[in-house]
Amino acid sequence: GAGVSQSPSNKVTEKGKDVELRCDPISGHTALYWYRQSLGQGLEFLIYFQGNSAPDKSGLPSDRFSAERTGGSVSTLTIQRTQQEDSAVYLCASSLGLGQGRNEQFFGPGTRLTVL
Amino acid sequence: KQEVTQIPAALSVPEGENLVLNCSFTDSAIYNLQWFRQDPGKGLTSLLLIQSSQREQTSGRLNASLDKSSGRSTLYIAASQPGDSATYLCAVHSGNTPLVFGKGTRLSVIA
Repeated sequence: GAGVSQSPSNKVTEKGKDVELRCDPISGHTALYWYRQSLGQGLEFLIYFQGNSAPDKSGLPSDRFSAERTGGSVSTLTIQRTQQEDSAVYLCASSLGLGQGRNEQFFGPGTRLTVL
Repeated sequence: KQEVTQIPAALSVPEGENLVLNCSFTDSAIYNLQWFRQDPGKGLTSLLLIQSSQREQTSGRLNASLDKSSGRSTLYIAASQPGDSATYLCAVHSGNTPLVFGKGTRLSVIA
């Protein structure tokens, strides 16, 4: 596709359930990023991948959050035992790479997660 | 730790005015700075990216400047239109964390 796509666009779940969010980056982009945007807050960096590797997982809010990327393409962000404070818009972005001249990030439309 | 601040938080102007949005960052050791636009309920659209070695970038009615030593960037919008109404986000790339965002400036252009 032409841009970054994310699915689902909206997800409503009950507290305690697990959810999986998906991101399809722009074809050929080796770097992929996950961010979270809570109501009234700025964007919070969660994790990034270079290829299939995530060098820095320190941005993940808790051990209930995990992410993986396979085949250097699609990534999934999994939240286990969801809590109400997990409600937010989860945004995915991709870039050609990490180096200067390759690191302009392009964002997907986001997944709006609501935990009841 | 890099911190990004955007002023003002909200701005309302009549159509046709030229306007300036401000962004400041605490650590001048950046790789680049990116300006985004976000419409309500939508993702982010990249407007301009300025590398650390550059001083400005232009795209149509938009001009972004970067003064790395003073930790400042401005986004200039010429001849504003109602369609420019959105939240404008500034983000810096400092290496350890791919992008650190400001909280944005919410712009309303009144016809």
